[in-house]
Amino acid sequence: GAGVSQSPSNKVTEKGKDVELRCDPISGHTALYWYRQRLGQGLEFLIYFQGNSAPDKSGLPSDRFSAERTGESVSTLTIQRTQQEDSAVYLCASSYSGNYNEQFFGPGTRLTVL
Amino acid sequence: RKEVEQDPGPFNVPEGATVAFNCTYSNSASQSFFWYRQDCRKEPKLLMSVYSSGNEDGRFTAQLNRASQYISLLIRDSKLSDSATYLCVVNGERSQGNLIFGKGTKLSVKP
Repeated sequence: GAGVSQSPSNKVTEKGKDVELRCDPISGHTALYWYRQRLGQGLEFLIYFQGNSAPDKSGLPSDRFSAERTGESVSTLTIQRTQQEDSAVYLCASSYSGNYNEQFFGPGTRLTVL
Repeated sequence: RKEVEQDPGPFNVPEGATVAFNCTYSNSASQSFFWYRQDCRKEPKLLMSVYSSGNEDGRFTAQLNRASQYISLLIRDSKLSDSATYLCVVNGERSQGNLIFGKGTKLSVKP
């Protein structure tokens, strides 16, 4: 079946602009995660959605970052007033449930802030 | 102590070699452990879960030492296709979905 998809695959924006990144999880997966990976660095947890529970937003680096999820489907990560340090690959993952099950990752969105 | 710590490498080994990666974690209450593999400019993919008694999947063997809070991955008979970055992953404390990814150990297998 289809895996996790993300769009756009690449995004170049100017400093100060807002960007919106999209993630379509695997159908039937109740848990959805966003991570950030800077060049040559490890994965940095951003936010976790599990069903209808309140999301775990503890990884969001600032109030410029927000994310929403519609039911158990698509999620969008929004970065307002982008800064150059926001440049990274933003990875979305989904899993069958949040109980430490295998996370399946999308191909990521490569964000470059000029 | 960092939540998940790995030797960044790179490990440069010839084909057929045996190579071992180590990982330490700080949360003594962690219950779930994984090794993920990430190819260059690609997304991470699960390589194997790590069970308390240790487990093997073909050429790959994972071990867990809870007392020392230490996980290992052994790769036997290395193939060129094993070249990748190997990520040690441990569940965190914040929420059930919270997995902590190590920065990874880079492996390069040469002919």
